[in-house]
Amino acid sequence: GDSVTQMEGPVTLSEEACLTINCTYTATGYPSLFWYVQYPGEGLQLLLKATKADDKGSNKGFEATYRKETTSFHLEKGSVQVSDSAVYFCALGRTYKYIFGTGTRLKVLA
Amino acid sequence: NAGVTQTPKFQVLKTGQSMTLQCAQDMNHEYMSWYRQDPGMGLRLIHYSVGAGITDQGEVPNGYNVSRSTTEDFPLRLLSAAPSQTSVYFCASSPPISGGTDTQYFGPGTRLTVL
Repeated sequence: GDSVTQMEGPVTLSEEACLTINCTYTATGYPSLFWYVQYPGEGLQLLLKATKADDKGSNKGFEATYRKETTSFHLEKGSVQVSDSAVYFCALGRTYKYIFGTGTRLKVLA
Repeated sequence: NAGVTQTPKFQVLKTGQSMTLQCAQDMNHEYMSWYRQDPGMGLRLIHYSVGAGITDQGEVPNGYNVSRSTTEDFPLRLLSAAPSQTSVYFCASSPPISGGTDTQYFGPGTRLTVL
């Protein structure tokens, strides 16, 4: 069946450091891919998405590219801020069903 | 728009008790779903609905019932609570699906503890 694997955390970085959170998926066909972010005490909110191979999603300085050949959708940011501290979830969506990764906690230190 | 709302925010139950978690959305979304979030396991889909009167099971449906009588509301019922159902529950909705999937909008969650 479909699955999503993302790197375990926590990830601790200093402010202005580069971020990469790895995400790989297993699925037949062409699912949509998402990154969601969860701030403490809140629900998840969409960070970015891509709906087909080679699409690049971007938002708030974060980027991820839908790589069909490596079945990956890694999240990247060139310079993180303290306000980026949160839990990040990679997810795939196929008609009517969504599969989430286990989440990666990011802590950014000033 | 209020978006997706959930009540209550917190609930403590005793084993064997029943309760209903409420979820409502005011965005006229056809698709609604329920997830549970457990440490180290991410979010797992419990039940989902693609429109009023239509529901289906997700990955972990046992012990939960749903119904969808209106577009706006999608309550989740625990018939006989068990400690294994201690979790944070999220409701989500998304616009009409046209052959694929779309962004989901999440509620703030309900933290449930079963003693």
